[in-house]
Amino acid sequence: GAGVSQSPSNKVTEKGKDVELRCDPISGHTALYWYRQSLGQGLEFLIYFQGNSAPDKSGLPSDRFSAERTGGSVSTLTIQRTQQEDSAVYLCASSFGMGDNSPLHFGNGTRLTVT
Amino acid sequence: DQQVKQNSPSLSVQEGRISILNCDYTNSMFDYFLWYKKYPAEGPTFLISISSIKDKNEDGRFTVFLNKSAKHLSLHIVPSQPGDSAVYFCAARKGGSQGNLIFGKGTKLSVKP
Repeated sequence: GAGVSQSPSNKVTEKGKDVELRCDPISGHTALYWYRQSLGQGLEFLIYFQGNSAPDKSGLPSDRFSAERTGGSVSTLTIQRTQQEDSAVYLCASSFGMGDNSPLHFGNGTRLTVT
Repeated sequence: DQQVKQNSPSLSVQEGRISILNCDYTNSMFDYFLWYKKYPAEGPTFLISISSIKDKNEDGRFTVFLNKSAKHLSLHIVPSQPGDSAVYFCAARKGGSQGNLIFGKGTKLSVKP
């Protein structure tokens, strides 16, 4: 497809389990971003990649969260030992570059529910 | 501590009239501002942006106004259409901080036929 693809679209997991969320950016986009939106909140920045490196990890909520990107394309966001407060919609976005004329293109998100 | 604030959670407008969505920010280092639109179960889509060197940017029915002294921006939609019904997010970026867009909590716009 032409857009950012995220999988799964929905994930229900038990507290304490690990989950892995996947993002396929738009082909040719060098920058990739992870955000999350909790109920009633705005979009919270988690991490971004320029190529395969992550210059800014400041948004990751705790050391249970990690992300990687390989081959300058697909990225995975891993949450270990999930907690109920991790329940949110996790959004991935990509952009052609990092400048002002490169708006973010978002996927439809993964809705994570931790029971 | 919210750096980008959208104080109106919702707005209802009659079709054909003007919709005005407001956004305030606190960080004077922000130099680029964007509006995104989000339909249910979809990701946000880019709508329009403005650099801090401008005070107005227009694209069809959408115009964004920036008042730097007041740290305020607004999105005007005219004429409003039922298909404009969505959640609108204001976002801002600090100069030199390319990777991190700071988003507001959004305003849900309902355009009634």
